[in-house]
Amino acid sequence: QKEVEQDPGPLSVPEGAIVSLNCTYSNSAFQYFMWYRQYSRKGPELLMYTYSSGNKEDGRFTAQVDKSSKYISLFIRDSQPSDSATYLCAMPTYSGGSNYKLTFGKGTLLTVNP
Amino acid sequence: SQTIHQWPATLVQPVGSPLSLECTVEGTSNPNLYWYRQAAGRGLQLLFYSVGIGQISSEVPQNLSASRPQDRQFILSSKKLLLSDSGFYLCAWSLGLAGGETQYFGPGTRLLVL
Repeated sequence: QKEVEQDPGPLSVPEGAIVSLNCTYSNSAFQYFMWYRQYSRKGPELLMYTYSSGNKEDGRFTAQVDKSSKYISLFIRDSQPSDSATYLCAMPTYSGGSNYKLTFGKGTLLTVNP
Repeated sequence: SQTIHQWPATLVQPVGSPLSLECTVEGTSNPNLYWYRQAAGRGLQLLFYSVGIGQISSEVPQNLSASRPQDRQFILSSKKLLLSDSGFYLCAWSLGLAGGETQYFGPGTRLLVL
């Protein structure tokens, strides 16, 4: 079983829809959870960061973590065409000294149609 | 604020030719630096990371090498490129202290080996 599983999609929704993106993980050592957004032909940019179970909201984005089920979600409300991108979940593990390693999901390609 | 640069943005190289990709970070000192490769359907693969000048750790055996000649400069090299080296190469940095679990990515270099 891979450490982080993410449905690659593609996911296509109409503008204004609520989008749900999900990842599951198997490593109980994961304590922090991140969502990156990657536009086509660009580097990933950090979108949300949470380290506790429950919900964290930032504008139209909500990150949800359920550590008991090893399941994380990113919800996008009132989705816009500008949200069209690949969304990657990522989980850091401490690897000694000042270094952390990020384990990424493969990413979900989202298209929001006007 | 911190900025990360990568160049070139796009590169087409013949099989067997050498490679040098450069990454520089501005606005921070003693960052941790990372090289990733992103291939279609395979997600982000960590290739190398560095916690200081001259300190390089390799994650996977491969045809590539990395060097860090200066605090904020990270170079990815190859003596002879293979077809399988094609991909999107991303450099990232993180703080070399508490909070270093967040990585920030550069714009990437798209490499096509023919």
